[in-house]
Amino acid sequence: QSALTQRASVSGSPGQSITISCTGTTSDVGGYYSVSWYQQHPGKVPKLLIYEVSNRPSGVSRRFSGSRSGNTASLTISGLQAEDEADYYCSSYTSSSTWVFGGGTKLTVL
Amino acid sequence: EVQLVESGGGLVKPGGSLRLSCAASGLSFNSYTMNWVRQAPGKGLEWVSSIGSSPSNIHYGDSVKGRFTISRDNARYSLYLQMHSLRGEDTAVYYCVTGTTGFDYWGQGALVTVSS
Repeated sequence: QSALTQRASVSGSPGQSITISCTGTTSDVGGYYSVSWYQQHPGKVPKLLIYEVSNRPSGVSRRFSGSRSGNTASLTISGLQAEDEADYYCSSYTSSSTWVFGGGTKLTVL
Repeated sequence: EVQLVESGGGLVKPGGSLRLSCAASGLSFNSYTMNWVRQAPGKGLEWVSSIGSSPSNIHYGDSVKGRFTISRDNARYSLYLQMHSLRGEDTAVYYCVTGTTGFDYWGQGALVTVSS
């Protein structure tokens, strides 16, 4: 069960758009719709941002969007705001009936 | 409102055992797959185990297989994680997690520290 691959850090200026990628295999990201994204601020509990690749739960800003191409899922944050500074994790269901997370990406808003 | 409250965390010596509990409310507990997810200090999230609405539907991460046992008591709306042969690398905050679309609902977490 190898963790999904995420870049360790990404940064952007307020108002910009950034994309965080999450690469897996056909046995997880590329093979199932159960791909999700989570936001975690320091000392806080993770929050679900995106489920089933591209769906937003009620209450999540439209500035957050998800997509997938092959074995790579992506989270795009548009109109970057200071409060978006956090750690972001992807997760996927796997062919072994387990779940796997990405290593996490730390977003810095410059 | 869905609430998940973990308890049972603490300091344990390497090789020791500990049992975590999670009390759930605000949901039809017996209909939900329940999970444990952990996060070591300063590290990322790691899925640990899940148990379906049917107790026979149980899965574990490779790092805990054979050492941890997940269980549930639907009458008590409770989830458990029995941990044996604990190691330093098991030191983490353990979250009780559930949902319908993903990991929608998270408890506040229980800190487990494995140290001599």
